[in-house]
Amino acid sequence: EADIYQTPRYLVIGTGKKITLECSQTMGHDKMYWYQQDPGMELHLIHYSYGVNSTEKGDLSSESTVSRIRTEHFPLTLESARPSHTSQYLCASSATGALYGYTFGSGTRLTVV
Amino acid sequence: GQQLNQSPQSMFIQEGEDVSMNCTSSSIFNTWLWYKQDPGEGPVLLIALYKAGELTSNGRLTAQFGITRKDSFLNISASIPSDVGIYFCAYLNYGGSQGNLIFGKGTKLSVKP
Repeated sequence: EADIYQTPRYLVIGTGKKITLECSQTMGHDKMYWYQQDPGMELHLIHYSYGVNSTEKGDLSSESTVSRIRTEHFPLTLESARPSHTSQYLCASSATGALYGYTFGSGTRLTVV
Repeated sequence: GQQLNQSPQSMFIQEGEDVSMNCTSSSIFNTWLWYKQDPGEGPVLLIALYKAGELTSNGRLTAQFGITRKDSFLNISASIPSDVGIYFCAYLNYGGSQGNLIFGKGTKLSVKP
């Protein structure tokens, strides 16, 4: 079954740690996205990619970085986590043109203590 | 950039009530999408609209693409407790020959205490 997977679902980590949030999709989509969302709030685009070796920053400035070495994989990395990074991170993908919308993963709830 | 005005920002429902929410923009668009996000999950596509005046149903949900192409509404009939969540409208931005979704800020549906 084609889908998009995010791991871990929940992560509690100490300040200063390096973390990587994983996102993989099995739909062969060229485009992938990372959104940051505080509880019950709007979606903020922080990174996107149009294909392998393509990454762009989104509308909301973020200290995180992303990479796209394989079509199906779009990990997000924080080199040094801070409490201000506490949020929900949502990954999404779409076919070129996005005419049928995005498919979202279930998200990673990150808490930095 | 272009923005969506989504209203209401939040609303409380009692089981059995009909619910209505809408999105408006100053620009015209060719595609409107409605998503629902359950608590702790990623948004899921409910309805996609591709033609001005189009009226589409998905069970108890009905959405319409405004005739002016600047607005869309979503109605939920006979609401049930599992309707709670955040509803996002989105339009497809064809800027730069790449389709990207622009999301509204969401309407949060809660159950009346």
